[in-house]
Amino acid sequence: QQQVKQSPQSLIVQKGGIPIINCAYENTAFDYFPWYQQFPGKGPALLIAIRPDVSEKKEGRFTISFNKSAKQFSLHIMDSQPGDSATYFCAASVSGTYKYIFGTGTRLKVLA
Amino acid sequence: ETGVTQSPTHLIKTRGQQVTLRCSSQSGHNTVSWYQQALGQGPQFIFQYYREEENGRGNFPPRFSGLQFPNYSSELNVNALELDDSALYLCASSFSGVRELFFGEGSRLTVL
Repeated sequence: QQQVKQSPQSLIVQKGGIPIINCAYENTAFDYFPWYQQFPGKGPALLIAIRPDVSEKKEGRFTISFNKSAKQFSLHIMDSQPGDSATYFCAASVSGTYKYIFGTGTRLKVLA
Repeated sequence: ETGVTQSPTHLIKTRGQQVTLRCSSQSGHNTVSWYQQALGQGPQFIFQYYREEENGRGNFPPRFSGLQFPNYSSELNVNALELDDSALYLCASSFSGVRELFFGEGSRLTVL
């Protein structure tokens, strides 16, 4: 019940495409859902986060869609660029804790 | 504003040895968490420190221990190293009550 399932494992898109990464969870106590971007040899960097009282959030080219009833959320990257090539992790946490449960990651490659 | 800094960046140890990893929190942050990231996996929560006390722990054995100092910097100690301890160890800091978690670049530990 503590898992966050992430898919796909890897994704290749052309420049300008809109990659979509999906995550699903079971624990209804989760109330904070961040997305992180990680480049090889670097630590994860916070991209955008959402709470379950909101169905969509946009920050620049990154959009999170949230479906509370389905217990699913997804990351969309608009107008993707080769510089977006990285591994993306979804995560979830329960209020009052910094114990994030991370997904297994999606390796994105954007072709020039 | 200084981000989260970790040292050393890379180190190699042999099985049975002990290791200490260090972390300086981002300026203004008073909570620190440690995560273990195995190759190709998402980060896994080890423990969290607030006000110099452990305040939450993941599924890691007692040979993983930590400290937080009055200046909010932190150490992760691992005793009796095993081959499976080879991973990227990530420190993350935050301000109590604020959900965003900011990661350092990590310390890459290799156990031979």
